[in-house]
Parts: sequence; C-alpha cells; structure tokens
Amino acid sequence: NAGVTQTPKFQVLKTGQSMTLQCAQDMNHNSMYWYRQDPGMGLRLIYYSASEGTTDKGEVPNGYNVSRLNKREFSLRLESAAPSQTSVYFCAAEGRGFYEQYFGPGTRLTVT
Amino acid sequence: AQKITQTQPGMFVQEKEAVTLDCTYDTSDPSYGLFWYKQPSSGEMIFLIYQGSYDQQNATEGRYSLNFQKARKSANLVISASQLGDSAMYFCAMTANNAGNMLTFGGGTRLMVKP
Repeated sequence: NAGVTQTPKFQVLKTGQSMTLQCAQDMNHNSMYWYRQDPGMGLRLIYYSASEGTTDKGEVPNGYNVSRLNKREFSLRLESAAPSQTSVYFCAAEGRGFYEQYFGPGTRLTVT
Repeated sequence: AQKITQTQPGMFVQEKEAVTLDCTYDTSDPSYGLFWYKQPSSGEMIFLIYQGSYDQQNATEGRYSLNFQKARKSANLVISASQLGDSAMYFCAMTANNAGNMLTFGGGTRLMVKP
C-alpha cells in the first residue's frame, strides 16, 4: 500500500444519496485506477486515468463519475447511490511499466 | 480482451508444505504481464510476484515462484514451506500491451494453512 491513501475507510449511504471517494498518491506516477470488489470476487476496473486531465471507462463504469484533479488526486463520485454499489472500492497507482500497481487500503461502502 | 480463470475456490495446505494455486489466462496480445496478489482478511491488496510474457525464466520472490507455461497459458503460483500467515485470498491478474496498464483479475482462491 505504499504511497496510496483513500478516504473514507467506511461509509454507509441511503439509496439516492451522493458521495465522493478520495484517493491520493505521493509516488509521482501518471496512471491511477478505481476498482470495485464485490463479496467473493476479484477486482473489476471502474475508471482509470492515464495522466492528469484524462479519464477512461473500465469494465463497470455505470453509475460513477471520476475526476483527475491533478497528478496526485483521483476521485470517484457516486451521484445517486444504489444498493448494487455496495462494495469495497480500491484506488491504485501504477508501478513500473508492467510491474505492480500499488493499491490503497480500500473503502468499504454500504448502500441501504 | 483479457480473461483470467482461477478454478480453485478454496484450498487447504498443511503448514510447512508446498502448495500450487492455479491460474490460466487468455489474451491475443503477445506482450502481457501476469501478477499474483495476496489479500489477507484485513482487506489490503499485497503484490507478490510478476512475470512478463517475454521473460525466459520463471519469476521467484522468496518463498513465491510463478510456474509460467506460455504454450498452455498458465501462470500458477507456488508457495513453498507454507506458513500460517499465508492464509488469505490469492488473486491472479494480468495486463496486456493493448490494455494500457489496466489489470484484469481472476475470481480468487482462498488458501487455508493448517497447523
């Protein structure tokens, strides 16, 4: 988890509420990613940002928006939360080319 | 598109024994990378080992080695001398040259080490 921080660690929302998950990295890497992990499953890519000012959809982008504010920060926004978005959300920053991605500690989100 | 398959939902291993976790992959890109991550019950994702598609030797990192069989499209993780702290979920993942640096994950294998 070197150098990638996420806030909050836990969040409970009611259906229809909005919130923003924050992610920051201090490793000066270009690419950053948002994944979700549903119970008993692997991670799936929601959005990614190859560089400051650019964002692209991943495998499961519906219901989310992202913002790459600067090189350090990459936020994920749920405009109108739904119970299907109950999940653990991980932010990651690229490693060295094809090498490891560094993951943040995760945000556990429950939507009731 | 890339695909990763892990066919073992759960496995038991006796402490101090070796264990192999299976992973098969599919991609049409000749240039790709294969990864294994460990996720303990605390939830963080811990990078274990990486293998590049052009690497001639199997990757090793301490007690972890990756048994890379390119023709069979398999990238099995071998953990030698299992320890109780190895009990966790293990995920195989890959990225490909035509997918930027995005990771595609398998469904994971839960490893339980018995004392």
